Amino acid sequence: DAGVTQSPTHLIKTRGQQVTLRCSPKSGHDTVSWYQQALGQGPQFIFQYYEEEERQRGNFPDRFSGHQFPNYSSELNVNALLLGDSALYLCASSTYRDSGTEAFFGQGTRLTVV
Amino acid sequence: GNSVTQMEGPVTLSEEAFLTINCTYTATGYPSLFWYVQYPGEGLQLLLKATKADDKGSNKGFEATYRKETTSFHLEKGSVQVSDSAVYFCALTESDSWGKLQFGAGTQVVVTP
Repeated sequence: DAGVTQSPTHLIKTRGQQVTLRCSPKSGHDTVSWYQQALGQGPQFIFQYYEEEERQRGNFPDRFSGHQFPNYSSELNVNALLLGDSALYLCASSTYRDSGTEAFFGQGTRLTVV
Repeated sequence: GNSVTQMEGPVTLSEEAFLTINCTYTATGYPSLFWYVQYPGEGLQLLLKATKADDKGSNKGFEATYRKETTSFHLEKGSVQVSDSAVYFCALTESDSWGKLQFGAGTQVVVTP
């Protein structure tokens, strides 16, 4: 079992550009959540996807959008990048209907905006 | 809204010392509580969890007890090893928003030989 996989591992973008990050959940999981972790801080919840729909959203602007595919994998898109978007982006997968299950995290994508 | 507060780091201690990391929370309902650990260059790993008051989570020698009366979930380990050097995050999730984890700022622990 490969666990949660994210790609790419590192990315450098210029202000104003757009970026797409990808996540494949752990086998058997159907729910994907995305988090932003700024340097030296705890992860902040961006949103959660289940059955290809956004189910919950944190306090992030509309520049942050996502998608979930029928195979449960997910993408995080960020438009009009700002320097402040530089962070580690973490994907977590879990099972929606089995509340209490552990969320498994990927190793993250390190985004640097210059 | 919900929030998690944990003690600031870094916490530096010698091998075999006792470790305590304080965590307190505010929540509107009855949250589940977690400790996650992040080793350098890696993602988060669940260390332990507790889903109701007075539950004790334990794993790899670490323990934490869900104290509703003090809204706390302090992490303890009796004898740390160099390999325990990492950043530790306290987190909660509410039952009506399962999967939306609210994290503390993290506490870096450095264990020296």
